[in-house]
Amino acid sequence: GNSVTQMEGPVTLSEEAFLTINCTYTATGYPSLFWYVQYPGEGLQLLLKATKADDKGSNKGFEATYRKETTSFHLEKGSVQVSDSAVYFCALSDQRGAGGTSYGKLTFGQGTILTVHP
Amino acid sequence: DGGITQSPKYLFRKEGQNVTLSCEQNLNHDAMYWYRQDPGQGLRLIYYSQIVNDFQKGDIAEGYSVSREKKESFPLTVTSAQKNPTAFYLCASSVLAGGPYEQYFGPGTRLTVT
Repeated sequence: GNSVTQMEGPVTLSEEAFLTINCTYTATGYPSLFWYVQYPGEGLQLLLKATKADDKGSNKGFEATYRKETTSFHLEKGSVQVSDSAVYFCALSDQRGAGGTSYGKLTFGQGTILTVHP
Repeated sequence: DGGITQSPKYLFRKEGQNVTLSCEQNLNHDAMYWYRQDPGQGLRLIYYSQIVNDFQKGDIAEGYSVSREKKESFPLTVTSAQKNPTAFYLCASSVLAGGPYEQYFGPGTRLTVT
């Protein structure tokens, strides 16, 4: 079955530091890949996505590149801010099933807590 | 504005009582989902629905029930059979045609059962 593995946290950084959160996946076929962010006490927000190999998703200074050869989708940001403190989830979409049935289910990683200090 | 609403944000119940969590979306999405999140853990899928009047069990459906009478609504009932109901519950929705199937989430309901 599908699975997503994220680097274990928590990750603690100083403001303006470089961020990398590793994400690797196992899936059949060619899933779409996502990063979600969850601020304390809130739901998940889609941060960025990539739908095919070598695609780069980007948003709010965050980037991630779909690497099929290494089955990875690492999240990066060049200079983090205190406001980036949150939990980050990597996820992949389910595959289109037999007969063209689409499921739409997502498989999530366990989440990585990021804390940024001033 | 289009989006997903969940109510209430906080819910308190006594052990042995059933409780229903509301989820409404005006995104015209076909699919809706319920997840459970425990402290420090990821999301676990409870139930999902791809079409009105149809739904499927997720990974942890025991002790929960759902209905999908309208496209916009997907309420979740936490029954007294659920052994550890205290958790943060998230509802989501997505399109089904064409992908890439990103899900949009509501703000969540924090349920505390004592």
